[in-house]
Amino acid sequence: NAGVTQTPKFRVLKTGQSMTLLCAQDMNHEYMYWYRQDPGMGLRLIHYSVGEGTTAKGEVPDGYNVSRLKKQNFLLGLESAAPSQTSVYFCASSYADGPGHYGYTFGSGTRLTVV
Amino acid sequence: KQEVTQIPAALSVPEGENLVLNCSFTDSAIYNLQWFRQDPGKGLTSLLLIQSSQREQTSGRLNASLDKSSGRSTLYIAASQPGDSATYLCAGNAGGTSYGKLTFGQGTILTVHP
Repeated sequence: NAGVTQTPKFRVLKTGQSMTLLCAQDMNHEYMYWYRQDPGMGLRLIHYSVGEGTTAKGEVPDGYNVSRLKKQNFLLGLESAAPSQTSVYFCASSYADGPGHYGYTFGSGTRLTVV
Repeated sequence: KQEVTQIPAALSVPEGENLVLNCSFTDSAIYNLQWFRQDPGKGLTSLLLIQSSQREQTSGRLNASLDKSSGRSTLYIAASQPGDSATYLCAGNAGGTSYGKLTFGQGTILTVHP
């Protein structure tokens, strides 16, 4: 089925370890985003990309890096994981369907625990 | 900086009730306001999008309104059903060169019991 696929779905890391979360979309969407969701705080934007080879910082970028070498993939990296990065991470992609009008597709999330 | 707040944080109602979820935002320059549904362990599904030039949108038993002057949006669910149980999130988009970035509220956890 067409959509946004996130891998892995679950992961437990030790403090200081590194990992990469993969997001893949097959809808040819131009824009992609990484959000984190914490209890009581809604979703907050970490980084986003407006096209292949581009990335930009969102609201909470510290401790994360991203890359978008191919249009369909958007990678989120944690170089040295900290307990504060325990969260559920969502990837989304979108297309512009008119001025200011975007159609979104979200992945099912990655639950990350840092101990 | 846009801030979005949702009230109540949680709501439990018996089946068949009509209910209202509230969303408030601080920046009236919001371009559009979107309501999402989130089921446990799943991603977000878009329910309704209200453009800044619109006052409301309807889809089936759902009706969403937008009042930019007061910084409020409401999601009205008619004749609630147990299948409506989920977390409902509102999110604003600033338009322009925002590239579709969304600012989310904290969500309202809705439970509809038979």
